[in-house]
Amino acid sequence: DAGVIQSPRHEVTEMGQEVTLRCKPISGHDYLFWYRQTMMRGLELLIYFNNNVPIDDSGMPEDRFSAKMPNASFSTLKIQPSEPRDSAVYFCASYRGSPNEKLFFGSGTQLSVL
Amino acid sequence: AQKITQTQPGMFVQEKEAVTLDCTYDTSDPSYGLFWYKQPSSGEMIFLIYQGSYDQQNATEGRYSLNFQKARKSANLVISASQLGDSAMYFCAMREFTRLTFGTGTRLQVTL
Repeated sequence: DAGVIQSPRHEVTEMGQEVTLRCKPISGHDYLFWYRQTMMRGLELLIYFNNNVPIDDSGMPEDRFSAKMPNASFSTLKIQPSEPRDSAVYFCASYRGSPNEKLFFGSGTQLSVL
Repeated sequence: AQKITQTQPGMFVQEKEAVTLDCTYDTSDPSYGLFWYKQPSSGEMIFLIYQGSYDQQNATEGRYSLNFQKARKSANLVISASQLGDSAMYFCAMREFTRLTFGTGTRLQVTL
C-alpha cells in the first residue's frame, strides 16, 4: 500500500492567493483527518470526515478555510485568500475506524505564505 | 479545556538510560484510546504504541511501554535503553468517540 499521499510537499505562495492542498487516503479507510502543525499551537485538528461526510469542522480557523471530500479516495483543503499566519505544515491522516487502529499520516505539506 | 496535556516541553536523557514522558487526558467517552507518536526532525509521524481504555495490561512495543493509570487519567510513555535515534518530538494522542486529538508534544534529546 502506498500510504496516505499528500501533494504538494512544499507550497510557497503570496498573501492573498488561493492555496489547495490534496490528500489521497489509504484505500478502505473510512476516516480522514486534516491537521495543522505550527511551533506555537502544535498539532491542531482542523476537520475530519467519515465516509466522505464532514463530522467535525470546529477546528477550521475561519471562513477562509474549506475542506471537501468528493469521494473516498480524495480530499482537498483550500485556503482563500491565504495569509502569512497560515504558514504551517498541513497533515492529512486516515484510518479504518477500528477502535485500536492507529492513524496513518501523510508526509505533510509545508506551506509558506509570503 | 485541554483534552490531552503534555507538561514537559523538553527532556534530556543519557544514552542507555530509561526516560518517562508524561501525558494526562480528559474525556467523557468510556471507550477511548491513547496513542504515542514520534516525530523526528525529518517531519514524518511515526506510530509507537496504543492503549485501549479497557485494556487490562499496559501496552508494550519493544523498548516502548505505556504506563496506563486509568484512575489518574495518565498514559505515560516509557522508553527503555535510550538511543541517539530516539531524539525527536513525542506526541500523545487520544481517540474519543471518533475524534483524535494530540498533545503539544515533548522534545526528547538523547545525549552521550
